[in-house]
Amino acid sequence: QVQLVQSGAEVKKPGASVKVSCKASGYTFTSYYIHWVRQAPGQGLEWMGILNPTGGSTDYAQKFQGRVTMTRDTSTSTVYMALSSLRSEDTAVYFCARGVAAGVHNLDYWGQGTLVTVSS
Amino acid sequence: DIQMTQSPSSLSASVGDRVTITCRASQSISIYLNWYQQKPGKAPNLLIHAASSLQSGVPSRFSGSGSGTDFTLTISSLQPEDFATYYCQQSYDTPPWTFGQGTRVEIK
Repeated sequence: QVQLVQSGAEVKKPGASVKVSCKASGYTFTSYYIHWVRQAPGQGLEWMGILNPTGGSTDYAQKFQGRVTMTRDTSTSTVYMALSSLRSEDTAVYFCARGVAAGVHNLDYWGQGTLVTVSS
Repeated sequence: DIQMTQSPSSLSASVGDRVTITCRASQSISIYLNWYQQKPGKAPNLLIHAASSLQSGVPSRFSGSGSGTDFTLTISSLQPEDFATYYCQQSYDTPPWTFGQGTRVEIK
């Protein structure tokens, strides 16, 4: 069965960086995109960016340009999302999700989420 | 960026009620519209893709309609497990693929 398993919760100080992993299994890794979506406490969903596991190309929301980097390791079917210059407003649950590219793009499987807390 | 606006932001309903949630796009997005359900502490779950296609495994009481700028998610007979927050998302053309602000469905 399709699974996306994310790394555990992180606590970081303002100005630091965080790297969250998302390990895919149960399907051909290079056949689907991976999206990252975050959710601040009590807030809605915010789309951050997309990675194509085939060539590693990425597209980021403008809000995160310059601070976010998405990479992948095809040997372990793992995608990484790194966010730098953290501030308190980055406190959120970060989700990875599998992106279906045929027809209308949609996110059909999601990871369990990783809580990143930014606090001094 | 395309803005997505959902209404209402929250609603109270009883088991068995018919519930309708609306999502409006700031420009035409054809049928590039998906609906998700999220329960507290859980990841979102895809309900509807391409505006009206029911995702595999989703109960038939959920349906979606619309095209262009106006879309609707309907729950024909609300069940206890349907109390959750619902989000629309557009995936038209190129990213960013923005979400609506969410609609919380609560028990009356």
